[in-house]
Formats: sequence, structure tokens, C-alpha cells
Amino acid sequence: QSVLTQPPSASGTPGQRVTISCSGSSSNIGSNTVNWYQQLPGTAPKLLIYSNNQRPSGVPDRFSGSKSGTSASLAISGLQSEDEADYYCAAWDDSLNGPNVVFGGGTKLTVL
Amino acid sequence: EVQLVESGGGLVQPGGSLRLSCAASGFTFSSYSMNWVRQAPGKGLEWVSYISSSSSTIYYADSVKGRFTISRDNAKNSLYLQMNSLRDEDTAVYYCARDYYDSSGYSPPGGFDYWGQGTLVTVSS
Repeated sequence: QSVLTQPPSASGTPGQRVTISCSGSSSNIGSNTVNWYQQLPGTAPKLLIYSNNQRPSGVPDRFSGSKSGTSASLAISGLQSEDEADYYCAAWDDSLNGPNVVFGGGTKLTVL
Repeated sequence: EVQLVESGGGLVQPGGSLRLSCAASGFTFSSYSMNWVRQAPGKGLEWVSYISSSSSTIYYADSVKGRFTISRDNAKNSLYLQMNSLRDEDTAVYYCARDYYDSSGYSPPGGFDYWGQGTLVTVSS
């Protein structure tokens, strides 16, 4: 059971806009920033969004992030076939047992 | 070109030990905090451990605390993970990952920009 909650799957057609949600609590998303990763099949994850809504250099502006309270969202506009991948949210968690990074369970995006 | 190359994975019996290594190149290793992240077969990502650039700050996930030890050798541009008392549930691909720093020098917690290709650890009798 992951600390951050994501829908297990999402889908869309080419050109469409899709969103993926990530729900947490006051100890993680509620008090820290959110990062998003894209993992293509058989490859290591790639940082897509950091600090809720910032894109690292080289990430297309079709990808955007937002955060409100204890939830965050990743939006992908102009969906392309190469966007078919697993997407993970991540955040720092101020746990009583010590700080750590928590991930969502991942959302498998299918481009129909 | 930034490269992170993990090694040391393999098959080990429950209760056994293994030491993973991550060889870094293409950047000033001693300036970056590093992490280990794992992924069980067909499952999601799980952060394992963090070490600051000077080794002064170290964190572990609850699931490995007391069993795993992270360390680094900046002179050798290498990151390590000593894994003891291994359990079936430790079976996973283990990735080393570098903390991301943006153009202003800010490092977002939990933001990792470069990852290795991963090394598979299988714990089974």
C-alpha cells in the first residue's frame, strides 16, 4: 500500500488532454512539494515535474503539474503515442520515524 | 555525459547479505546528494535511502532501517548500499539516483534527475 494514492490506470486518444491525480496527507503533499516521474517500459524513471509545477530542461510544455492542499495533479495535453508509460508522483514525508521520500503506486497511461 | 552504473546484484538466500555499488561519471560526484530507489518486479517505485554529498546526513526507509547501510567514497566517485538480513520482500531492481538541482541551485526534496540502469537483487531459497 503506497503512501500517496494514484489511480492505477488512465487512458486517452491522441491529441486529448488527460490528468492523473495524486492524493496524500498533511505530512507529505500538504507540507512539501510534489515531483512527477515518467517510466517508459523497461527503462529507468525520468523526472518530469519538480516543485509541483516546474519542468526540468528538455521536458515539453505539454506536461504540467499543480498542487492544492494534500492533492496534486499531472496534466498531459496533446497526448502522443510516446506518452504511453507509467507515471509516479513523489514527495518528501515528514514522518515521526524520520524524513523520507514517498511515492504513489503509479498510473499506467494507455494511448488508445 | 552523466552516467550512473550499478553493480553487485544477484541471487541471495533469505538472511544473506549483498553489497551494491554505483559508479558515477560525467559530473562532480562529491557535490551531489545521492539516493537508492528500488522497484519490485511489476510493482511501483520505493525510495530506500539518501546520503548527502559529505555523508553527514543519511536517511532510510522504515522497511530497511537497521538492515541496510548507505555509504559513499567521493575519491572513487562511488555510492554503496550494504544490505544485510535480506528478506524475500527485498527482491527488486535497485537504482541509484542523483538529487536534482535547478539553475538556481535549489534541490527539490524527492527530485532525482539521473538514474542508473538498475541492478536486480533476488532473495530466494
